[in-house]
Amino acid sequence: QVQLVESGGGVVQPGGSLRLSCTASGFNFYSYAIHWVRQAPGRGLEWVAVTSYNEVTKSYADSVKGRFTISRDNSRNTLYLQMNDLRTEDTAFYFCARDADGSGPLDYWGRGTLVTAS
Amino acid sequence: QPVLTQSPSASASLGASVKLTCTLSSPYTSYGIAWHQQQPGKGPRYLMRVTGNGGHNRGDGIPDRFAGSSSGAERYLTISSVQSEDEADYYCQTWGSGRGVFGGGTRLTVL
Repeated sequence: QVQLVESGGGVVQPGGSLRLSCTASGFNFYSYAIHWVRQAPGRGLEWVAVTSYNEVTKSYADSVKGRFTISRDNSRNTLYLQMNDLRTEDTAFYFCARDADGSGPLDYWGRGTLVTAS
Repeated sequence: QPVLTQSPSASASLGASVKLTCTLSSPYTSYGIAWHQQQPGKGPRYLMRVTGNGGHNRGDGIPDRFAGSSSGAERYLTISSVQSEDEADYYCQTWGSGRGVFGGGTRLTVL
């Protein structure tokens, strides 16, 4: 079955860096756009970034543009999020999610990994 | 970019039905959306897509107690025969200009 598993979260000082990974299985990873979505403790969902299946198209939320970079390695079925210059407001659970058809609903989600900038 | 508006809270009695609403901002009132459920302490789960003309397409394993519909700028999620495990946060989501957009979420309390 479709699975997405995030890893790489942890505690980092403000101004520091962290790289998150999302490992996929159960589907043709190379055919799908994948998103990052985050959720600060006790808050709602916030869209962060997306990459197309071939990395030709990438897009970021204004709150992370210039600091975060999304990338993927289709040979490893893995999505990444490089987070630089972390701020306290970046503290959140980070989820990866599959885009059902390239510009639409997120039809499968991972369980998330917690990033704490403190 | 579209904005999605949801009521912060809703409640329903066990076994009853409840209808949650997500409102699209102008001029994006024809857009489709997706509904997601997030139970306490868990990651989100995709429920369904709802198109602008009211059609819906449930995700894998989603029971038919969950149904979607549309009217104008509003997109609805109706839960029939509400069960205790339906107590959760419900988010609507859409997409525009290559970006994802989420509503603020509705917390459903089962009485």
